Amino acid sequence: NAGVTQTPKFQVLKTGQSMTLQCAQDMNHEYMSWYRQDPGMGLRLIHYSVGAGITDQGEVPNGYNVSRSTTEDFPLRLLSAAPSQTSVYFCASNRGAAAYGYTFGSGTRLTVV
Amino acid sequence: ILNVEQSPQSLHVQEGDSTNFTCSFPSSNFYALHWYRWETAKSPKALFVMTLNGDEKKKGRISATLNTKEGYSYLYIKGSQPEDSATYLCALPHPEGNQFYFGTGTSLTVIP
Repeated sequence: NAGVTQTPKFQVLKTGQSMTLQCAQDMNHEYMSWYRQDPGMGLRLIHYSVGAGITDQGEVPNGYNVSRSTTEDFPLRLLSAAPSQTSVYFCASNRGAAAYGYTFGSGTRLTVV
Repeated sequence: ILNVEQSPQSLHVQEGDSTNFTCSFPSSNFYALHWYRWETAKSPKALFVMTLNGDEKKKGRISATLNTKEGYSYLYIKGSQPEDSATYLCALPHPEGNQFYFGTGTSLTVIP
């Protein structure tokens, strides 16, 4: 049982480049979310999805796009990378409803130069 | 945005000491509270999900209590061990949606 798989683990981008962070889960979880973690800020929600075909914005959505074509996959796209997007990104999933804890991926450390 | 506060920000204790820290949140429209343990270079792992006022959860030497009327939860670690060193996060869902809000965490270092 792999849980939540995130790729890549590390990435360096130049300003203006685009890329996609991949996230896949094999637990048949309805809810999937993307968070970024910055020093002193805690985990902040970027986008989330409550099921295939449904996505919504979180606290800090600007500069990111998501889609959820299947239950398993929830990729995060950076359209034109900026240094302010240097961060550690975590994908997480849960069964749905707030009474269930998240399962987190191992994180992607992104540096934009 | 839901304001979730954790204190203290960091804590150093000696091996064998017991310790506790706090998660504070708005007491209105409470739905659930999650505690996570986050070791360095790893991803957060769920410890407890608490939903009822007066809830008390326990896992080994770690326990948590919940007071929804006054808006706080305590996490206790009895007889701290070096392997307990981690950041402990709490998170709450917004009562009107599916968004979770995390506190900034308490960083615990247990000195052998």
